[in-house]
Amino acid sequence: AAGVIQSPRHLIKEKRETATLKCYPIPRHDTVYWYQQGPGQDPQFLISFYEKMQSDKGSIPDRFSAQQFSDYHSELNMSSLELGDSALYFCASSPDNGGSSYGYTFGSGTRLTVV
Amino acid sequence: GQQLNQSPQSMFIQEGEDVSMNCTSSSIFNTWLWYKQEPGEGPVLLIALYKAGELTSNGRLTAQFGITRKDSFLNISASIPSDVGIYFCAGWEGGGADGLTFGKGTHLIIQP
Repeated sequence: AAGVIQSPRHLIKEKRETATLKCYPIPRHDTVYWYQQGPGQDPQFLISFYEKMQSDKGSIPDRFSAQQFSDYHSELNMSSLELGDSALYFCASSPDNGGSSYGYTFGSGTRLTVV
Repeated sequence: GQQLNQSPQSMFIQEGEDVSMNCTSSSIFNTWLWYKQEPGEGPVLLIALYKAGELTSNGRLTAQFGITRKDSFLNISASIPSDVGIYFCAGWEGGGADGLTFGKGTHLIIQP
């Protein structure tokens, strides 16, 4: 079965650079969620989109922005990168928004290293 | 925001033993989810619980959604080496709040 696809798998950037992470949800999933997981930490919710509109916002820094496109894929844009942004970034998708958490599936993540 | 207290933090067990871990919250969740995560990979859903009191099994795994909607447990019976990993509970609040709140994880280590 198709899963949530994230690219790239690994990314190395220097401080103050920008990074763009991409997420392709499971087909017919219209809701996308972004999470950040620091080393040894649990995933922290950043932001979500439903039908191309921002749906909910968590602990996303102002330096980060995201959007969902007409094909439902999503991109997380990170600017003025800091060392503390080094983490695993996960995307998840689900077929329903606000109704239930049914089918909430995570991708394999992008490991961002800021040097 | 909401916090989940997950325990134990880590478990060192012998192959074949049963495992039990739990999560508690001071607030109510509408859904409890249990995930397993291996190094460098995303969390993989093991069991989803949608109703208070619900008891659900998935092979050797059994999980329950507490009656008060503030707790859940996960049991693994007859552990095998491939059960090694970090297990996270996660709660979904609902009502327009999309993000899952995760516990801190239980690191399961199995000694042959």
